[in-house]
Amino acid sequence: ETGVTQSPTHLIKTRGQQVTLRCSSQSGHNTVSWYQQALGQGPQFIFQYYREEENGRGNFPPRFSGLQFPNYSSELNVNALELDDSALYLCASSRREETQYFGPGTRLLVL
Amino acid sequence: GENVEQHPSTLSVQEGDSAVIKCTYSDSASNYFPWYKQELGKGPQLIIDIRSNVGEKKDQRIAVTLNKTAKHFSLHITETQPEDSAVYFCAAGPYYNTDKLIFGTGTRLQVFP
Repeated sequence: ETGVTQSPTHLIKTRGQQVTLRCSSQSGHNTVSWYQQALGQGPQFIFQYYREEENGRGNFPPRFSGLQFPNYSSELNVNALELDDSALYLCASSRREETQYFGPGTRLLVL
Repeated sequence: GENVEQHPSTLSVQEGDSAVIKCTYSDSASNYFPWYKQELGKGPQLIIDIRSNVGEKKDQRIAVTLNKTAKHFSLHITETQPEDSAVYFCAAGPYYNTDKLIFGTGTRLQVFP
């Protein structure tokens, strides 16, 4: 098991609502990346945070936003939820430019 | 755009046999190639990785080979065990180690006793 934790484990929301997912990185890691994994698919890169700033972004709309805190933990915020946002959201932490270690994920269901 | 293709999508083997999963990537700037194992209800777990300056890497029953000219890399599992059953993902990174990883679509491996 990695030292990356995520909360909550499961979440149900309705279309149009907003959601915040949280990630605590492994001790010693200063970089956090967020991925979306749809059912039966590989993870897709959303964005990465390093030293509290966004450092790279995948093909996701602006309603996906994030934060990184001084203790390197991170939040993923999704506004105006759509049905297609239903997925497993994964957080991965690393030292800068080193191997990424994934947390267990938060499963989001949008009804 | 950047893309990683992974084959096969499912693979069934008898315990003790070998399993091979293959990936092809499109971005010639990719330099880092990790493999992850994902069990049901869990996040992906790194099992082995390789960098572009190395052609092959082995860790006990697991090995990865890389052909940068052909943009191919493969995972080899020998002496498979039932606990190897999981979904395996390959990925490619555009820089030396991390930044944005592009994942393949996954291979569901079933090892029958």
